[in-house]
Amino acid sequence: ETGVTQTPRHLVMGMTNKKSLKCEQHLGHNAMYWYKQSAKKPLELMFVYNFKEQTENNSVPSRFSPECPNSSHLFLHLHTLQPEDSALYLCASSQEALGGRETQYFGPGTRLLVL
Amino acid sequence: GDSVTQMEGPVTLSEEAFLTINCTYTATGYPSLFWYVQYPGEGLQLLLKATKADDKGSNKGFEATYRKETTSFHLEKGSVQVSDSAVYFCALSERGNQFYFGTGTSLTVIP
Repeated sequence: ETGVTQTPRHLVMGMTNKKSLKCEQHLGHNAMYWYKQSAKKPLELMFVYNFKEQTENNSVPSRFSPECPNSSHLFLHLHTLQPEDSALYLCASSQEALGGRETQYFGPGTRLLVL
Repeated sequence: GDSVTQMEGPVTLSEEAFLTINCTYTATGYPSLFWYVQYPGEGLQLLLKATKADDKGSNKGFEATYRKETTSFHLEKGSVQVSDSAVYFCALSERGNQFYFGTGTSLTVIP
């Protein structure tokens, strides 16, 4: 148990559906992240939030829409996804100080299948 | 830019064998270095870390030493168990929130 929870753990959706992934961290951290993990590819950083403000958006398609209502919760809203978006989506959090380099703590992930 | 290169897998070992997974990095400054482990069906868990040159991170029998002269952070364990079967990721963090992960090395330990 790392203190980062994600729901749902598994999700199957059609290309016309709208769904949301939820992440919650119980560690008192001030930064949260979404990563995409696809088979045989490196971990891809998608979004970073510091103190609820988005600081990174690594050229992610607009069909992925993040939301960070407070420093403990992070959502990833999904709409009109493509089959190639099927992957494991990982949430992480960290306590960022000046200069960074802090440990990231990961949730268990949501396994997404787009049909 | 910053990057991490780790040995290709998969690696298959017999129980009680010695494990080494190589990791080298490229960074412009003084990064922190990490090893994460991912068990089947789970997210990444921090295994160990080192924040400066010559530091040794250790946990659960695994060790890695931060070698600035060779820009390496190789993971070692003297005697692996079946329960160590997982994917291992080397990572670095230098500034801001950016983590750079290797591609992962799959380890299977057979009884």
